[in-house]
Amino acid sequence: QLVLTQSPSTSASLGASVKLICTLSSGHNNYAIAWHQRQPEKGPRYLMKVNNDGSHIKGDGIPDRFSGSSSGAERYLTISSLQSEDEADYYCQTWGTGAWVFGGGTKLTVL
Amino acid sequence: EVRLVESGGVLVQPGGSLRLSCAASGFAFRTYWVSWVRQAPGKGLEWVANIKEDGSEKYYVDSVRGRFTISRDNAKNSLYLQMNSLRAEDTAMYYCAISSGFYAWGYWGQGTLVTVSS
Repeated sequence: QLVLTQSPSTSASLGASVKLICTLSSGHNNYAIAWHQRQPEKGPRYLMKVNNDGSHIKGDGIPDRFSGSSSGAERYLTISSLQSEDEADYYCQTWGTGAWVFGGGTKLTVL
Repeated sequence: EVRLVESGGVLVQPGGSLRLSCAASGFAFRTYWVSWVRQAPGKGLEWVANIKEDGSEKYYVDSVRGRFTISRDNAKNSLYLQMNSLRAEDTAMYYCAISSGFYAWGYWGQGTLVTVSS
């Protein structure tokens, strides 16, 4: 079964970097994923697609501070030079047979 | 400017019906799979339904299959979700969304709130 696993929460300091992790279930190491951001009181925003080879393609207007990478079954979202507006829930998502699968989301707190 | 604008969310009684709409502009709507995604209060994002570019394929999460119907009108750049036999657990913000693995591009609407309560 295709499942995405994310840590429920993490925190990092203003100006620092943070790396969020999304883990694909066994047997699905070759799947690409997408990252989405859900800021408080706002609609979600598509951030990027991360391929299994570690390459990533960002969505419209996504700052250079956001980048993606991968290793094995893990897909990463790295945010550098953290700003207060980066405090949000981050969801990974992949494509099953006709369906989407979301991870449970990681709540990022910027200290 | 790319826009996805949802409408149609209201307060409805259990067992009732509702039709959500999503108006798309600023991009080639007819070339993308489009989806409905919902977020219940205090919960994460949940995919609800997908529809292929030409409407020939449709997929649903198990909890709504047989009750919800996704459709699109490419001539009007519009996406729809017909929701029947509504339940309290369908209460959520509903989003129109695109996340294309093929084109590596995506976009979300701002959402429309559906509340199912007596």
